[in-house]
Amino acid sequence: EDQVTQSPEALRLQEGESSSLNCSYTVSGLRGLFWYRQDPGKGPEFLFTLYSAGEEKEKERLKATLTKKESFLHITAPKPEDSATYLCAVPLAAGNKLTFGGGTRVLVKP
Amino acid sequence: DTEVTQTPKHLVMGMTNKKSLKCEQHMGHRAMYWYKQKAKKPPELMFVYSYEKLSINESVPSRFSPECPNSSLLNLHLHALQPEDSALYLCASSQDQRIPTGGQYFGPGTRLTVT
Repeated sequence: EDQVTQSPEALRLQEGESSSLNCSYTVSGLRGLFWYRQDPGKGPEFLFTLYSAGEEKEKERLKATLTKKESFLHITAPKPEDSATYLCAVPLAAGNKLTFGGGTRVLVKP
Repeated sequence: DTEVTQTPKHLVMGMTNKKSLKCEQHMGHRAMYWYKQKAKKPPELMFVYSYEKLSINESVPSRFSPECPNSSLLNLHLHALQPEDSALYLCASSQDQRIPTGGQYFGPGTRLTVT
């Protein structure tokens, strides 16, 4: 069964304390893995698409990497404005239906 | 421009009311989606339109009725909702349903409260 799991569920960081979020997946024939950022009460904001193992994408303090079984979102020297829920998602084989992980709620304290 | 707009931002309705949610995109995307999101949960897919035709209905109750008048607009008609239908309703679009490139772009959502 196709499954996407994120860990940890919540992460509390001090400003400047780098950390990583994990997204593990069991999907036959990966057709891409997407990372989103979601602020409370708002829609998810598209961050990255990764397609193949070894691929990396960067945006400001965020860096996403992909292996054959999981993806990591590294947050380097985070700032309070990086506080949000980070979601990963993969499209299922049929119909590009996104299967989301449960999300990781990140809180960065000044 | 990677913007998906949704109106209204907030909606409070009684269980006997009829209301509609609206979504618009001008990115030339040919796939549009409705999601429902409860607090502290990921979005759940409700409907997918591909080239203005309903492609996927995730067994959504008939009190939710989607409509795609043209390639830029998506509506969700609501009737006789239940309090448990209160949630954030998200619209999204993508280049093509069959090609997952570039991901899906989400609107800001409509916060719906059913009283």
